[in-house]
Formats: sequence, C-alpha cells, structure tokens
Amino acid sequence: EAQVTQNPRYLITVTGKKLTVTCSQNMNHEYMSWYRQDPGLGLRQIYSMNVEVTDKGDVPEGYKVSRKEKRNFPLILESPSPNQTSLYFCASSLSGLSSYNEQFFGPGTRLTVL
Amino acid sequence: KQEVTQIPAALSVPEGENLVLNCSFTDSAIYNLQWFRQDPGKGLTSLLLIQSSQREQTSGRLNASLDKSSGRSTLYIAASQPGDSATYLCAVLSGTYKYIFGTGTRLKVLA
Repeated sequence: EAQVTQNPRYLITVTGKKLTVTCSQNMNHEYMSWYRQDPGLGLRQIYSMNVEVTDKGDVPEGYKVSRKEKRNFPLILESPSPNQTSLYFCASSLSGLSSYNEQFFGPGTRLTVL
Repeated sequence: KQEVTQIPAALSVPEGENLVLNCSFTDSAIYNLQWFRQDPGKGLTSLLLIQSSQREQTSGRLNASLDKSSGRSTLYIAASQPGDSATYLCAVLSGTYKYIFGTGTRLKVLA
C-alpha cells in the first residue's frame, strides 16, 4: 500500500532535549516536506527537500532536516522549546514545481514540549 | 506573498443539502490547487487536484472549480451526508516549491 508513515504519533518531551521525528514514504517520490499545524494559523511549511535541494518554508527556525535516503526525511529538533508544541505532518510528492504535482500526507505527530 | 483564505470558517447543514466551500488566493501565478479533507486528529486526505490549466475536476459527489484570473476555487459537495463532516482545506502550489494552505472550513452535516 502506497503510504507516508511517521513515528512516533505522540511525543511528550522537555525543553532542550533533542528529538527526531521520522518520516518514510514507499512511493519513490522525489520531494518530501514537513509542516506544522497550529490552531488559527493552519498548516505552515517548515522545510521541503528533494534529493539535492533544500527549500526553506515559512517557519524553518529551530528545525533541521536531512535526506540521506530517498525514502526517509527525518525532522530534527536540536533543542526543542514550548513554542514548538504542535501537530506535525510529513508529506511527499512525485515531482516538484509542476501542475500535476500532488501531495500525500502522513498521519501526523502530536508533539508537546514542556 | 501568496495568501489563501477560506470562507466560511465553519458551516452546519442538514443532510442532503448541496453546498459550496470557497477558497481564494492573492497571487494567480500558481501551478495547481489541491483540496484536502481532514478528520479530527487525523492526517490530510487528498480529494481533488486542479492543474493551473484546468477549470474543474470531479470525483463522485465532489466537484472543484478553479478561476485563476479571479483567484478563486470552489468545492461543491452534492447531497451531503453526515460522513462528509470534516475540515476541508485548500492549498496552492506556487513559488519555489511552496504550498500555501488556507485555514480550512469546518463542515458539520446534521442527520
């Protein structure tokens, strides 16, 4: 089954403790993205990346990404802070800037930073 | 800077009604527009993708239209059912691989 998976689904941590949220897709997609969703602000893009190029979204500060393998796109918070408490989504798409580019989303990770 | 707005923010309708959800965007230079459905606590499910050269797309009881020149898209849901209750989001792809989302319309279909 074609899908985007994320782990963990729920995470509670404390300020400053490094964490990684994993994301994987099995569709051989070129592009992968991370979003955060906050009440009243909607979904905002953090980073997008194909295998060569990283695009900063609207809220990249405090986050790191890497793409060592095409199928995986982990989101790293080196020193989490309470304002990073949010619902995080990973997404993938076959190609980049094209009219037929369609995004597929993972189930989300609810992160709470105390 | 691209901005996407969805009106209304919330909508309640009785079962069986036809309804229209609106999405507007400020910059017409888009690659495509995608409509999603989000159930509480769940991820986003893609409903329809309209390419920039297209005027509309249909899937079952759903029909989405796109008017790039006026910066508008509508999602038409025919014969609504309680199972259609969810938040509906639109997103435009523009710029350097940037998806901009609206804040969504929360739909409740009453049995």
